[in-house]
Amino acid sequence: RKEVEQDPGPFNVPEGATVAFNCTYSNSASQSFFWYRQDCRKEPKLLMSVYSSGNEDGRFTAQLNRASQYISLLIRDSKLSDSATYLCVVNQGTGGFKTIFGAGTRLFVKA
Amino acid sequence: DTGVSQDPRHKITKRGQNVTFRCDPISEHNRLYWYRQTLGQGPEFLTYFQNEAQLEKSRLLSDRFSAERPKGSFSTLEIQRTEQGDSAMYLCASSQGGDQRNTEAFFGQGTRLTVV
Repeated sequence: RKEVEQDPGPFNVPEGATVAFNCTYSNSASQSFFWYRQDCRKEPKLLMSVYSSGNEDGRFTAQLNRASQYISLLIRDSKLSDSATYLCVVNQGTGGFKTIFGAGTRLFVKA
Repeated sequence: DTGVSQDPRHKITKRGQNVTFRCDPISEHNRLYWYRQTLGQGPEFLTYFQNEAQLEKSRLLSDRFSAERPKGSFSTLEIQRTEQGDSAMYLCASSQGGDQRNTEAFFGQGTRLTVV
């Protein structure tokens, strides 16, 4: 079983749609969680951290369920510019500093 | 530019040759990571340094791979006797130190290795 699992997609959605991505992690000792965005042939960049209480940044909402070892990302009112790969990221290991990436979920937003 | 820089950006090598990549992290960051990414996959963890100490190595890092960070600043990743399966993008990232766990990792643009 992979340490961090995501639905690879692709998700093809029209502009304005709401889309949700899910991610599960296997190590219950994982300590912090993130969503990164990666554009084609570019390096990953932080989209948002994920907190136990859930957090929102504009059109983006992240949720964490530690009991189910599950992380989600909700994108409302999708824009063409949201088209990218979304990577679920988990920090684990000694001191919680080993950063593990999921394989990513590809999103295509169409006009 | 004060971000993470990697050199070279591209490397083409013949199978069996050795290659070395360099990563210069953001200057105040004491954590440094190496990842490998192939098409359609997320970055795969290879190894991680806190200052000059290599704290964790993935099973992916076979005995042909070695990474160093001798002075706790820049790092090198060497691949000996390259194989075609080593062809990938090698990404370096750095993050802030201390006891903070919820810190962002900043990535370099990567070194794309092609083994022919």
